[in-house]
Amino acid sequence: KNQVEQSPQSLIILEGKNCTLQCNYTVSPFSNLRWYKQDTGRGPVSLTIMTFSENTKSNGRYTATLDADTKQSSLHITASQLSDSASYICVVSKNSGNTPLVFGKGTRLSVIA
Amino acid sequence: DTAVSQTPKYLVTQMGNDKSIKCEQNLGHDTMYWYKQDSKKFLKIMFSYNNKELIINETVPNRFSPKSPDKAHLNLHINSLELGDSAVYFCASRPLWGDLNSPLHFGNGTRLTVT
Repeated sequence: KNQVEQSPQSLIILEGKNCTLQCNYTVSPFSNLRWYKQDTGRGPVSLTIMTFSENTKSNGRYTATLDADTKQSSLHITASQLSDSASYICVVSKNSGNTPLVFGKGTRLSVIA
Repeated sequence: DTAVSQTPKYLVTQMGNDKSIKCEQNLGHDTMYWYKQDSKKFLKIMFSYNNKELIINETVPNRFSPKSPDKAHLNLHINSLELGDSAVYFCASRPLWGDLNSPLHFGNGTRLTVT
């Protein structure tokens, strides 16, 4: 069954600290994995995309990793800021079917001063 | 100049009423979607349209009827609203059907509350 599991469900960290969010998937055949950031009251916005051949990719203070063998991805946030408080959603695309996107349930991150 | 815009942002209505949510994208995309986000923040696909044509209806009750007058607009009409319809509804678009390397562009959602 095609599934995307994210952990933790929620996370509270102090401003300036680092954190890592996890995404495990069983989606097949795999096309790519994308991380979205959803601020409260807004729609999700894409942070980064990982394809099969990519192991790591950075976007400012966000670094995503992908291990296609173990079907795991992580999103690492460095030197967190209050504005990083949001839900982070992992979405895996599969190479077949009319509904190719499989969504995780998200990790709710709260950064506090 | 919001890329994907939805109206209204908030909608409070009573059970049994009929309501509509509008969505417009100015990105020139061919494909548009409606998603429902429940109280647990899980996003679930409802409908997919490509060039005004319905591609996917994901087992959504037929009280929900999408309409796409042109490829820049995808509206959602809901008949006989029920308490369980309360959720945030997101419109999204993508350049081309099947272009999995392009991100979805989401609107900011319509929070529907049925009382």
